[in-house]
Amino acid sequence: ILNVEQSPQSLHVQEGDSTNFTCSFPSSNFYALHWYRWETAKSPEALFVMTLNGDEKKKGRISATLNTKEGYSYLYIKGSQPEDSATYLCALHGSARQLTFGSGTQLTVLP
Amino acid sequence: NAGVTQTPKFRVLKTGQSMTLLCAQDMNHEYMYWYRQDPGMGLRLIHYSVGEGTTAKGEVPDGYNVSRLKKQNFLLGLESAAPSQTSVYFCASRQVANTEAFFGQGTRLTVV
Repeated sequence: ILNVEQSPQSLHVQEGDSTNFTCSFPSSNFYALHWYRWETAKSPEALFVMTLNGDEKKKGRISATLNTKEGYSYLYIKGSQPEDSATYLCALHGSARQLTFGSGTQLTVLP
Repeated sequence: NAGVTQTPKFRVLKTGQSMTLLCAQDMNHEYMYWYRQDPGMGLRLIHYSVGEGTTAKGEVPDGYNVSRLKKQNFLLGLESAAPSQTSVYFCASRQVANTEAFFGQGTRLTVV
């Protein structure tokens, strides 16, 4: 069983604040690291798939970095908006080709 | 585009009954996954498949069986349902290499 951990578990921020979350994973079993956004009553949707150490990806106000040697990834949201409220999941694509998710960070952006 | 379709969307079972959940994808994806979502526990991997005719166990496989007889379909079976299997079940599929997963809309199963 791959241990994928996310922190914090939940987060409340004010509109306009920037925020970040952490995903940690076993670096010895790394193949790719995924980030997903999951809104209530919907299905998860992919944000990024990252494979290379030092990788940085960006989509609008959301960006992510990856450190495969130490086994962590950060997701950043700049200038949070109420529509950013969702659960953010990371998932490790391991060497056995499984896709193992962390328990998620629940973000609430207060207007 | 249908993407990933799960059948049924809702189901109530009595303890001991059996049922099969169907996941169908029309994207010619190789990999398919079944997850269960429980409060505070994110998505936990039940079983997965890396191609037609192959299956593998995930984190929480006990009480479930799967089959992938056709590439586009991944079936999840509960032989004798238990209240502990009350959950929301999600299916996902992805192509090989480093590509994103696409999810179905979920199946809400209640075992009474």
